[in-house]
Amino acid sequence: AQKITQTQPGMFVQEKEAVTLDCTYDTSDPSYGLFWYKQPSSGEMIFLIYQGSYDQQNATEGRYSLNFQKARKSANLVISASQLGDSAMYFCAMREAQAGTALIFGKGTTLSVSS
Amino acid sequence: DAMVIQNPRYQVTQFGKPVTLSCSQTLNHNVMYWYQQKSSQAPKLLFHYYDKDFNNEADTPDNFQSRRPNTSFCFLDIRSPGLGDAAMYLCATSRVLGIRQPQHFGDGTRLSIL
Repeated sequence: AQKITQTQPGMFVQEKEAVTLDCTYDTSDPSYGLFWYKQPSSGEMIFLIYQGSYDQQNATEGRYSLNFQKARKSANLVISASQLGDSAMYFCAMREAQAGTALIFGKGTTLSVSS
Repeated sequence: DAMVIQNPRYQVTQFGKPVTLSCSQTLNHNVMYWYQQKSSQAPKLLFHYYDKDFNNEADTPDNFQSRRPNTSFCFLDIRSPGLGDAAMYLCATSRVLGIRQPQHFGDGTRLSIL
């Protein structure tokens, strides 16, 4: 079974609009961390935001916020006021305390921002 | 300021010819990781070092080896590359192990096999 599911292969949004990228996860470990990374076409992976399983508040980092719904096992990334430079592949990833070091990635969502 | 540096950005090698990819870091992080990312797929962890302790993922082929001569450098050696090894190879670091630790990635090395 897939641990991280990103159901949107591609998303299209206009500049200045908000966009939500979906991520659901599957784990029986009560202690885990959820990450979002951005990968532009140049290839580097850029860390965006982190949410811990025990965190009470939803994480926010500038224009990025994480809509964490623990009971639903979802961790959607919200990008407010999209910019052309946001066009990239976005990966949701999880790290489980019991599983050790592996950062398990979803298949990614390609976001295209148009003017 | 580049903090995780991978060289080269693009590497071409011949089928069966050994190749080494390089990663260095200026973050003084204890943990270094190597991921393989094939076209249109998610990155997959190959192995990691915690200091000098090497940890191989169970399904990493024997063809892939790694060396970490000091804190700053880590190498990925592919002994006999096959066509299926063509991929982007990503190096990452984290300060320590732990679920809260984000991993900081380099720009990757794109490996092509002729």
